[in-house]
Amino acid sequence: KAGVTQTPRYLIKTRGQQVTLSCSPISGHRSVSWYQQTPGQGLQFLFEYFSETQRNKGNFPGRFSGRQFSNSRSEMNVSTLELGDSALYLCASNPTGGGNTEAFFGQGTRLTVV
Amino acid sequence: ILNVEQSPQSLHVQEGDSTNFTCSFPSSNFYALHWYRWETAKSPEALFVMTLNGDEKKKGRISATLNTKEGYSYLYIKGSQPEDSATYLCASMDSNYQLIWGAGTKLIIKP
Repeated sequence: KAGVTQTPRYLIKTRGQQVTLSCSPISGHRSVSWYQQTPGQGLQFLFEYFSETQRNKGNFPGRFSGRQFSNSRSEMNVSTLELGDSALYLCASNPTGGGNTEAFFGQGTRLTVV
Repeated sequence: ILNVEQSPQSLHVQEGDSTNFTCSFPSSNFYALHWYRWETAKSPEALFVMTLNGDEKKKGRISATLNTKEGYSYLYIKGSQPEDSATYLCASMDSNYQLIWGAGTKLIIKP
């Protein structure tokens, strides 16, 4: 069974631009969560989508948004990029998003804002 | 405790020695506790998901315990091997199904 796929793997953008990251979950998984990881920090939760609906949202500004399609693939968008948005962005899929099942992570997208 | 805290931040262990580290989490509204191993250049991989107070899980040389009343979990590695070198992350899920992550314990096994 294919794992969680994130594209692109690496991205360099300029301040003020916007960026869209993609995540294809494991087949049959309906929950997709997005995380930001910066050096020295734990994974910071961005949002979770389940069946095309945002179910949970972390404490990030409105510049960070996402959506989920009917095939469970998810995209995350960051507008008006800032230098501090440089990070590894991970997505994780889960059959239902319930707490008693493990999350499966993609390899991440490394975003560098210059 | 309002956040998930892991200690120590990093750990150097001689190959063959056993080791353990701690995850502290809010005990109120607790739903589940997750442990993940994150090797360099790879994706985090789940080790354990625990929900019940007193729960103890084992996978090979790695085991974990859970105390939901006092809000802590221990991860134990017996007879450390070089392939155990990784960052070990724990995350607590509350009744809102949101995972709150610790900053991780970086384990380095010295041959």
